[in-house]
Amino acid sequence: QKEVEQDPGPLSVPEGAIVSLNCTYSNSAFQYFMWYRQYSRKGPELLMYTYSSGNKEDGRFTAQVDKSSKYISLFIRDSQPSDSATYLCAMSARSNYQLIWGAGTKLIIKP
Amino acid sequence: NAGVTQTPKFRILKIGQSMTLQCTQDMNHNYMYWYRQDPGMGLKLIYYSVGAGITDKGEVPNGYNVSRSTTEDFPLRLELAAPSQTSVYFCASSLGAGRSSYEQYFGPGTRLTVT
Repeated sequence: QKEVEQDPGPLSVPEGAIVSLNCTYSNSAFQYFMWYRQYSRKGPELLMYTYSSGNKEDGRFTAQVDKSSKYISLFIRDSQPSDSATYLCAMSARSNYQLIWGAGTKLIIKP
Repeated sequence: NAGVTQTPKFRILKIGQSMTLQCTQDMNHNYMYWYRQDPGMGLKLIYYSVGAGITDKGEVPNGYNVSRSTTEDFPLRLELAAPSQTSVYFCASSLGAGRSSYEQYFGPGTRLTVT
C-alpha cells in the first residue's frame, strides 16, 4: 500500500464548475500538507500549504485536511481553462526536507 | 532571477554510459533536492543537500551520486545508466528548514531515456 494515494484521473469538467481533488494517506504522523500544480512539461509549483487539520482559503482555492479520516482535499471554484494541469498532493511527518508525494491528478477544464 | 535551471532538457543514453545532470539556483537557497518522476508514480527523492558540502540519500539513491561544492550548484551523476533510470528528473531548492522547506522551487526538468 502506498503511503499517499491519489486518483490519477484524468478529471474533465466544464468551465465554471467546482472541482474537488483528493488524497488519502496511511501515516498518522503526517502533519504538513501541500498541494502543488504542475503544467505540462514544467516543474511543480506550490499552490497551497496547510499545517495539521482545518481549512485554508486562497482566492478560488480551498485546501481541507481531515486528519481523523486521513483525507485531504483541494477545491477549485469557478474553474478556468488555465487551471488545466496535474495537481500533486505532498505531505510530511515533521518539519524537515522530505515530502511524500501523491501520483498526481490530471485535471482538464473544458471551455 | 532565473530561479532553478537544469541542463540538458533532453538526453538519450545507451546502457552503461554515464552522464551528469546540471542544476543551478540563483535564490541563495540552502536546501536543494533531486527528484525523479515516473508516470503514475509521483515524485521520488533521490538525494538532497542542506548546504554546501553536505549531502544525504533520499528514497531512491541507488545508481546516482551527487556533490555540492557551492550553494548554487547541485549536479547529479548517473553511473552505468540502466533502462530503469529512464525518467524525468527535477531539481528543486528551498530556503531552509521549517515551513520554508515545503515551498520548493522546481527547475523545468531533464527528460532522460536509456536504451
